[in-house]
Amino acid sequence: DQQVKQNSPSLSVQEGRISILNCDYTNSMFDYFLWYKKYPAEGPTFLISISSIKDKNEDGRFTVFLNKSAKHLSLHIVPSQPGDSAVYFCAASAGGATGTASKLTFGTGTRLQVTL
Amino acid sequence: GAVVSQHPSWVICKSGTSVKIECRSLDFQATTMFWYRQFPKQSLMLMATSNEGSKATYEQGVEKDKFLINHASLTLSTLTVTSAHPEDSSFYICSARDWVWDGYTFGSGTRLTVV
Repeated sequence: DQQVKQNSPSLSVQEGRISILNCDYTNSMFDYFLWYKKYPAEGPTFLISISSIKDKNEDGRFTVFLNKSAKHLSLHIVPSQPGDSAVYFCAASAGGATGTASKLTFGTGTRLQVTL
Repeated sequence: GAVVSQHPSWVICKSGTSVKIECRSLDFQATTMFWYRQFPKQSLMLMATSNEGSKATYEQGVEKDKFLINHASLTLSTLTVTSAHPEDSSFYICSARDWVWDGYTFGSGTRLTVV
């Protein structure tokens, strides 16, 4: 049972344009969501998070949008840069941003390629 | 920022032997750490939640006698793959929750190859 899904396994975007990565979840108990960037044979690197009390969080070029009614979140990267090329995972937890250290459930990942 | 150190980064072992992987939180205390496993081109699957001073909580389908987890201090958790077999070959990653910056920090991962 895949509770967190990223339906696009890959995405190609031109440098300077916007990259939009999508993530859907089914567990209504999830209330804290995170995006990670990952290179092969390395651990994930945290990008940005959002609590369910918000619908948007922005940090530099990265913005995460949360639509609770649709159980959908998206990561926008503007402008996209070649160094952004990696696999992006969304993750969710039911512990909240300040709750207990609840486990993360990861999506299946989207490979982003930013071309010149 | 929060740093989680994981060692070794890669290990090759013979079938039937045991391998220990260490996960340390370098600049913060972690009462809870998590161990994940990732197969090629797949998602990170949680194996177990490691609790300092108590038994680990294993996810369904994970053999607790095969994947021994010890969280003896607030900065160290270890995962021991006992009697390793080729099917245990995978990428293992640990993670800890850092309440200072309110996020989950991951180790760099360990590539285990059992021959």
